[in-house]
Amino acid sequence: DAGVIQSPRHEVTEMGQEVTLRCKPISGHNSLFWYRQTMMRGLELLIYFNNNVPIDDSGMPEDRFSAKMPNASFSTLKIQPSEPRDSAVYFCASSLSQGSETQYFGPGTRLLVL
Amino acid sequence: GQNIDQPTEMTATEGAIVQINCTYQTSGFNGLFWYQQHAGEAPTFLSYNVLDGLEEKGRFSSFLSRSKGYSYLLLKELQMKDSASYLCAARGYGQNFVFGPGTRLSVLP
Repeated sequence: DAGVIQSPRHEVTEMGQEVTLRCKPISGHNSLFWYRQTMMRGLELLIYFNNNVPIDDSGMPEDRFSAKMPNASFSTLKIQPSEPRDSAVYFCASSLSQGSETQYFGPGTRLLVL
Repeated sequence: GQNIDQPTEMTATEGAIVQINCTYQTSGFNGLFWYQQHAGEAPTFLSYNVLDGLEEKGRFSSFLSRSKGYSYLLLKELQMKDSASYLCAARGYGQNFVFGPGTRLSVLP
């Protein structure tokens, strides 16, 4: 199994630009999570999906952030417009089902907004 | 509110035993997790506790006391490759995970 796949691995953009991060969960996993990690705030859960349905987006920082999961094998996290404070590593993780013990993290996308 | 505390840094010697403590407060409780994260890499799952007591998995063990909101991760026979950050995470209602700031462990020869 290839594990959780994220793209791009690195993204450098200018303030005000739209950024789209992509994630392919492990095949057969029904839960998908988006996290953000910074030195100041650590690892924060932004949103999670069960069976492609957003369950809890209370961690999404503001309306500039949106996430979708159009099918079981693909999810996007979009930031529009981006700001320098959005610079972070964004991780996608998946688990077999709601309540599963183990989440498998993707390699992350390192985002730098200038 | 939700809060997780763990020491920022720890240092130990190769071959020794180290205990990393974690205290938590969450809205509801549905499990306590430990993850390992090497610099520049993604977190990887180490252990899971939902009932009080000790869970042992090779060189790593994790303990939970729900009444005290307390957990620890015990690493035995430390190896250089164990130098990493260790993240404590509590799962609240649903799949609401709250991660601690992480403890950076340095293993010295």
